Amino acid sequence: DAKTTQPNSMESNEEEPVHLPCNHSTISGTDYIHWYRQLPSQGPEYVIHGLTSNVNNRMASLAIAEDRKSSTLILHRATLRDAAVYYCILRDGGNNNDMRFGAGTRLTVKP
Amino acid sequence: DSGVTQTPKHLITATGQRVTLRCSPRSGDLSVYWYQQSLDQGLQFLIQYYNGEERAKGNILERFSAQQFPDLHSELNLSSLELGDSALYFCASSVEGLASSTDTQYFGPGTRLTVL
Repeated sequence: DAKTTQPNSMESNEEEPVHLPCNHSTISGTDYIHWYRQLPSQGPEYVIHGLTSNVNNRMASLAIAEDRKSSTLILHRATLRDAAVYYCILRDGGNNNDMRFGAGTRLTVKP
Repeated sequence: DSGVTQTPKHLITATGQRVTLRCSPRSGDLSVYWYQQSLDQGLQFLIQYYNGEERAKGNILERFSAQQFPDLHSELNLSSLELGDSALYFCASSVEGLASSTDTQYFGPGTRLTVL
């Protein structure tokens, strides 16, 4: 399985943008890039996903490099509620539908 | 609220015992997934059921088993419990059952298992 690399932790100030990077240099052409986050004491929740083009939804934006070897999750205005562990996951369908979580990035938001 | 429910919220038991964790998927979702989250291993996929049938297996121990019932709820059975089985157990559900690279998995709040 293609692997992802994320920084262990990041800090942000409230109401400022946050850029969470993810490297996936061995990504294949059919791999989708998914982001989930896990708030304290909760189960993971879906944030966004994309294949090649940049994507926007109400929660965040996903910027995908042209060579697809890296991507960035963008939170446009971080709030205290955005403090969580963010996971970047590659999914290709393949024979399984499970998701392989790495260690993720722990985002701290300072007031 | 994801729409996925898990019971119980907390479970404390002794080594060697057997427990059953229960999960009800979101309305309309046919797939149920079980994950284990421990401090040293992170989130690990255990097993997937789709419409009553086992679809995929991950790092699930032989002492663990699961099933999905006709009403689509699922149970994860953990037997001969060891101290190392202490963890958070999450259930997730999705619409898709076949291999999909785009479907969203919705996670429940988890069951915290403590083995003493």
